[in-house]
Amino acid sequence: DAGVTQTPRHEVAEKGQTIILKCEPVSGHNDLFWYRQTKIQGLELLSYFRSKSLMEDGGAFKDRFKAEMLNSSFSTLKIQPTEPKDSAVYLCASSKNTGQLYFGEGSKLTVL
Amino acid sequence: QQKVQQSPESLSVPEGGMASFNCTSSDRNFQYFWWYRQHSGEGPKALMSIFSDGDKKEGRFTAHLNKASLHVSLHIRDSQPSDSALYFCAASERTGNYKYVFGAGTRLKVIA
Repeated sequence: DAGVTQTPRHEVAEKGQTIILKCEPVSGHNDLFWYRQTKIQGLELLSYFRSKSLMEDGGAFKDRFKAEMLNSSFSTLKIQPTEPKDSAVYLCASSKNTGQLYFGEGSKLTVL
Repeated sequence: QQKVQQSPESLSVPEGGMASFNCTSSDRNFQYFWWYRQHSGEGPKALMSIFSDGDKKEGRFTAHLNKASLHVSLHIRDSQPSDSALYFCAASERTGNYKYVFGAGTRLKVIA
């Protein structure tokens, strides 16, 4: 089985740009998560979908961050407009009723 | 204050030695635990879960949970250089519940 696929692996953006990160969950998984990882804050939940319905939108991340699940096998995370403090690794994870999360390799975003 | 505290922040052990990690939940609702490991440049991967008091052993890895004190530990015996990674504890309110809270992580270096 293919794991979670994230693209791009690296993204460099200018301040104010719009970036879109993509995620394909493990086939058959019905839960999908977006996390942000930084050295200072660790892993922070951005969004959580169950069977394509948004269950959690990460509170503090609402204003410039928008995650969507267009179908059961594809999700996007849009950051608009980007700020230098958004520089981080963005991780997508999926799960199927077991509680175990399967993470992708992450998208490293650098905002100049 | 983070709901899940991990210690130590970093750890060095000789090859073949024992590595031990600690994790405590400050919220009595969060008493179901997972351990994840993240190698540099990769996403976290699940190592094991523990939901009941006592020990759980999987190969070289042993987890111990004390629900009364909300303390969980992970021990790696016969540590290998390939075990060098960032180790996370994640806690949730119940099994199969996806509102995970991650600790800040412990960085392990196994010295050959």
